[in-house]
Amino acid sequence: EPEVTQTPSHQVTQMGQEVILRCVPISNHLYFYWYRQILGQKVEFLVSFYNNEISEKSEIFDDQFSVERPDGSNFTLKIRSTKLEDSAMYFCASSDLGQANNEQFFGPGTRLTVL
Amino acid sequence: AQSVTQPDIHITVSEGASLELRCNYSYGATPYLFWYVQSPGQGLQLLLKYFSGDTLVQGIKGFEAEFKRSQSSFNLRKPSVHWSDAAEYFCAVGTGTASKLTFGTGTRLQVTL
Repeated sequence: EPEVTQTPSHQVTQMGQEVILRCVPISNHLYFYWYRQILGQKVEFLVSFYNNEISEKSEIFDDQFSVERPDGSNFTLKIRSTKLEDSAMYFCASSDLGQANNEQFFGPGTRLTVL
Repeated sequence: AQSVTQPDIHITVSEGASLELRCNYSYGATPYLFWYVQSPGQGLQLLLKYFSGDTLVQGIKGFEAEFKRSQSSFNLRKPSVHWSDAAEYFCAVGTGTASKLTFGTGTRLQVTL
């Protein structure tokens, strides 16, 4: 069964450093998303991406964040200068525009720890 | 803007007992509703979804949920809980095709033997 994959599973970085989180969505999907979950809190939407541009973003997704689909398979989230409060689990998701019910398939997540 | 409320932060049930997890949503039109389960250290797995038609939906692992428009609710149920059901359960609402999902704060289910 096709699945969304994410790398790395755990990333530790120093405050102020840049990090890139990588995702491989399901191959025939056209919509891509990033969500985050701070420890003990709910899953929050960050950004959605379609046709090589951002469709929607939350207020969390400020100028420190960017997304890119550098090739036909990867979807990345970059945080330019990490802060302590960026420590969270980051989930990538994808959906097939052909489905009318917006089912999003989630990856296993990348745990980001900012020291 | 849409929102989701899961009033129960933590629920403990005995194995074999029935389960109901509550979810209330706020959205002006007919929402797309989802229940996801998250096991420790794992990602989110879809249990079931509702977007139209029959208001009682069946999902995986023996779960079902009922959409009640009058109560703005989408409660998750299971007749007999298994120890492996211990996990965190998230209710989510979407507003249309490929729209973002808004999640509730989750309910942590503990199952005692």
